[in-house]
Amino acid sequence: DAGVTQSPTHLIKTRGQQVTLRCSPKSGHDTVSWYQQALGQGPQFIFQYYEEEERQRGNFPDRFSGHQFPNYSSELNVNALLLGDSALYLCASRETGGAYTGELFFGEGSRLTVL
Amino acid sequence: DQQVKQNSPSLSVQEGRISILNCDYTNSMFDYFLWYKKYPAEGPTFLISISSIKDKNEDGRFTVFLNKSAKHLSLHIVPSQPGDSAVYFCAAREYGNKLVFGAGTILRVKS
Repeated sequence: DAGVTQSPTHLIKTRGQQVTLRCSPKSGHDTVSWYQQALGQGPQFIFQYYEEEERQRGNFPDRFSGHQFPNYSSELNVNALLLGDSALYLCASRETGGAYTGELFFGEGSRLTVL
Repeated sequence: DQQVKQNSPSLSVQEGRISILNCDYTNSMFDYFLWYKKYPAEGPTFLISISSIKDKNEDGRFTVFLNKSAKHLSLHIVPSQPGDSAVYFCAAREYGNKLVFGAGTILRVKS
């Protein structure tokens, strides 16, 4: 049973470029969230997708956008990259329905470096 | 504005002894509190949670205590094992699906 998979694992971009990160949720999961983890900090919530719609968003600018596909996989897009966007981007999934207590399944993350 | 704070960046304990990791929060609206563990090059993995209406939850060697009046929670690991060495994140569930994380505490268990 595959867990949450993310690609690419590492990438380097320059300021002003655009990046797309991809995520496949754990089998049976239909809700995907994205988190940004800067060096020395905890993960910060970017947004959450369910039924191909953004359902909840954290305090991130519009340069951060996403998409969820019918197979529940998801993409995170960041436009006009800034040096401060350098971070580990984590995708997390869960199964909707039943009582949600906060347990998420995380992928290994995509390490983005902006030069 | 950090709503969840882990004030100890690191903790070192001897194998077999108790590890106590602490976390403070400011938002009274959090309804669940969780601990996640993270090894290098891996994503965080869920460890244990507690509802805001409880004051203790136990799962094997791991116990989480919640003191709502002090807005404080702690994770106790007894006995500590070398494999417990990792970064531990305290997290709290805000409305909807959003989790708010602390900055993490690096636990080193010496054998």
